[in-house]
Amino acid sequence: DTAVSQTPKYLVTQMGNDKSIKCEQNLGHDTMYWYKQDSKKFLKIMFSYNNKELIINETVPNRFSPKSPDKAHLNLHINSLELGDSAVYFCASSPRGGFQETQYFGPGTRLLVL
Amino acid sequence: AQSVTQLDSQVPVFEEAPVELRCNYSSSVSVYLFWYVQYPNQGLQLLLKYLSGSTLVKGINGFEAEFNKSQTSFHLRKPSVHISDTAEYFCAVGRHGGKLIFGQGTELSVKP
Repeated sequence: DTAVSQTPKYLVTQMGNDKSIKCEQNLGHDTMYWYKQDSKKFLKIMFSYNNKELIINETVPNRFSPKSPDKAHLNLHINSLELGDSAVYFCASSPRGGFQETQYFGPGTRLLVL
Repeated sequence: AQSVTQLDSQVPVFEEAPVELRCNYSSSVSVYLFWYVQYPNQGLQLLLKYLSGSTLVKGINGFEAEFNKSQTSFHLRKPSVHISDTAEYFCAVGRHGGKLIFGQGTELSVKP
């Protein structure tokens, strides 16, 4: 059973389009995260939700909007895609969002904006 | 502000040789330190973490790391690497709300 899953795995789209990435975890965790990994493999947190409540909202363009319909799901919607949005986006989860907790990562969604 | 610096962007090593991947952190408060590994085209998984107690931490796949408060370091070591250890390794510090601040990553390349 996949603990943290993301769909789609690959996403190729044109500039200006709107797209969504979905994430689901079956670990029973309260907290979920979105990270962006750029072309140099640098990882940076974008958002975190705890039990559907937004906890962390880093300096991210407001074209990015996370949505958590329930604590097992955290989706990422991106409006008006730009070339610089090309990256790998990782979803992760942890039990309660404590800073000592292990985070469990999904396989990533590779987004390419043309 | 806390930050993490991984001193080597690439580390090539021959199979069965020892390896050390270096990580330094800056923090004026208690730190919780992690090493994650990312195999090609996969997500990250935890190798080991330091929360408190013994400064020598053992993780999966034969890796270990030593927390050194005076040198603000958390270097990762393995006495004998395998081809399957080829991956990207990330050092990170945990912050409030579960936020992980990652280093730049070190690409370990194990050659036969």
